[in-house]
Amino acid sequence: QSALTQPASVSGSPGQSITLSCTGTSSDVGTYNLVSWFQQHPGKAPKLMIYEGNKRPSGVSNRISGSKSGNTASLTISGLHADDEADYYCCSYTGGNTYVFGTGTRVTVL
Amino acid sequence: VQLVESGGVVVQPGGSLRLSCAASGFIFADHPMHWVRQPPGKGLEWVSLITWDGTSTSYADSVKGRFTISRDNRKNSLYLQMNSLRTDDTALYYCAKDIYGYDTSGPDYWGQGTLVTVSS
Repeated sequence: QSALTQPASVSGSPGQSITLSCTGTSSDVGTYNLVSWFQQHPGKAPKLMIYEGNKRPSGVSNRISGSKSGNTASLTISGLHADDEADYYCCSYTGGNTYVFGTGTRVTVL
Repeated sequence: VQLVESGGVVVQPGGSLRLSCAASGFIFADHPMHWVRQPPGKGLEWVSLITWDGTSTSYADSVKGRFTISRDNRKNSLYLQMNSLRTDDTALYYCAKDIYGYDTSGPDYWGQGTLVTVSS
């Protein structure tokens, strides 16, 4: 159950697009289409942004999109806003009703 | 959806603690439930899942054999019994509901967390 690998930080200017990566293995991301992404602002609970790889919950902006290729999942934020500045975590099913989170990425809006 | 965790305190290494999570605003009995923790200033760690009917449980290797997840669907409540606590169990503990009913697809709504501090 090793944590999924995410870059420690990603930055972009307002209006730009950024892509966050989440690298796992053939035992998790590579096998299951159950990758979620969470946004967490300081002192707040995580908020679901993407589930099942590319589905957006009701109320989440269509500037947010998810995808997967092989053992790597990605989250793209287009038209970057100041309030997109937060920590982002991926999460993957690993079989046997178990899950693993990513190491987290701090997004900074320049 | 509302999830309210409670029971977090300061406890000595080797001690025990029981966390609770009161759920409302959805059909609790239909959904698998999770516990996820976050050490201060660090990332999220998935801890445990219990199926909608409580018949199956699963754990992270780091807590297996020490923590027990349970639920009472009559009381819309989720629990985490924590034994043999270690200093590295210090964290904010969140309960979270699963996205769908019955089969797991991952957490969606989370509570605000309850802080467990293991220290002598």
